[in-house]
Amino acid sequence: GAGVSQTPSNKVTEKGKYVELRCDPISGHTALYWYRQSLGQGPEFLIYFQGTGAADDSGLPNDRFFAVRPEGSVSTLKIQRTERGDSAVYLCASSPSGRTDTQYFGPGTRLTVL
Amino acid sequence: GEDVEQSLFLSVREGDSSVINCTYTDSSSTYLYWYKQEPGAGLQLLTYIFSNMDMKQDQRLTVLLNKKDKHLSLRIADTQTGDSAIYFCAESTEGSARQLTFGSGTQLTVLP
Repeated sequence: GAGVSQTPSNKVTEKGKYVELRCDPISGHTALYWYRQSLGQGPEFLIYFQGTGAADDSGLPNDRFFAVRPEGSVSTLKIQRTERGDSAVYLCASSPSGRTDTQYFGPGTRLTVL
Repeated sequence: GEDVEQSLFLSVREGDSSVINCTYTDSSSTYLYWYKQEPGAGLQLLTYIFSNMDMKQDQRLTVLLNKKDKHLSLRIADTQTGDSAIYFCAESTEGSARQLTFGSGTQLTVLP
């Protein structure tokens, strides 16, 4: 079956603008994660959903970042008033239950803030 | 806090074995993972090991875990040019959302 998909693959925006990044997890996976990967670094955890609820958002850097998963499937990461420091690759992962299961990653969205 | 460290670069000749090392600090880690990332691609899960194991073998891949020293290694036998990529070590811990904490990655270059 299909893996995790993310759209767009690339997003270029101007400082101060609002952006939305979309993640479509593997069908049937209840757990969904967002990570951010800066150049030359490993991914860093942002937020975790179990079903529709954000079970852990401790990795969100500030209140400009918000994510939703209204129907327990597709998730959208929203960034308000973007800053140049937000430039990174945003990765989404899903797993069947989020407990002992491994996480399967999408190809990521490369966000560039000019 | 949690911290995972890896050396940044490794070069090997095609056909040789590669050993990529990783250290972690969280003694409550339950699972440790190795992911591979090729240019422009997402993270591909290679293998993982549960913390009560000390070794796991999967075809050309061997994972060794020294829990006392909090040291994890990935050995790739008969390394091929297609193995050139960035390899990430990651840990997850009991009681958390099972989010992964990653190292900075090791760039493996396989020379012909």
